[in-house]
Amino acid sequence: DTGVSQDPRHKITKRGQNVTFRCDPISEHNRLYWYRQTLGQGPEFLTYFQNEAQLEKSRLLSDRFSAERPKGSFSTLEIQRTEQGDSAMYLCASSPTGTGKETQYFGPGTRLLVL
Amino acid sequence: AQSVTQLGSHVSVSEGALVLLRCNYSSSVPPYLFWYVQYPNQGLQLLLKYTSAATLVKGINGFEAEFKKSETSFHLTKPSAHMSDAAEYFCAVSGERTTDSWGKLQFGAGTQVVVTP
Repeated sequence: DTGVSQDPRHKITKRGQNVTFRCDPISEHNRLYWYRQTLGQGPEFLTYFQNEAQLEKSRLLSDRFSAERPKGSFSTLEIQRTEQGDSAMYLCASSPTGTGKETQYFGPGTRLLVL
Repeated sequence: AQSVTQLGSHVSVSEGALVLLRCNYSSSVPPYLFWYVQYPNQGLQLLLKYTSAATLVKGINGFEAEFKKSETSFHLTKPSAHMSDAAEYFCAVSGERTTDSWGKLQFGAGTQVVVTP
């Protein structure tokens, strides 16, 4: 069990550019979550998947944001036409099936800075 | 709807002193409650969780929390602070798995803990 991994750990981009982040959950975890954390705040829910199905999206997830989990394993989060307000830490989490399914295990996050 | 309020954005404790972090929740369904810790530039690590079993929950690193339904609270404590406890702590709530709110964590704003020698 290698834990949840995220790539890249840091991303600096210019306003208007597109960025894509990747999350690899703990193997055999069928739920995968994305959260956004701005400075001095707690994480805010963005979206989650059960296997490859995206079951819910927060109203925080504007049309410029899209998330996929094509084979029910890793997931990608893409932000198009980035804005300075998108600067934040993007956290991915996964949860197991069966016992302990309520518990989410977080990755190290991807810190995005939009200049 | 669910929400979490953490009282005190910053707490300073002396090494060896009691750590007490306050968390109050609001939930229209039976809650699951969590405490996570975050070290600088890292993700969140689970400290402990309440899932409707024992109301006093013990976690890692000597932390524990007590669920009090009458007070809608889930305060985190540690009898003796260590320098390594300096971090940010987040309380979070989700609903039971029979509800639509299951799985989505609603976090408080966090409490930064500083430990002084």
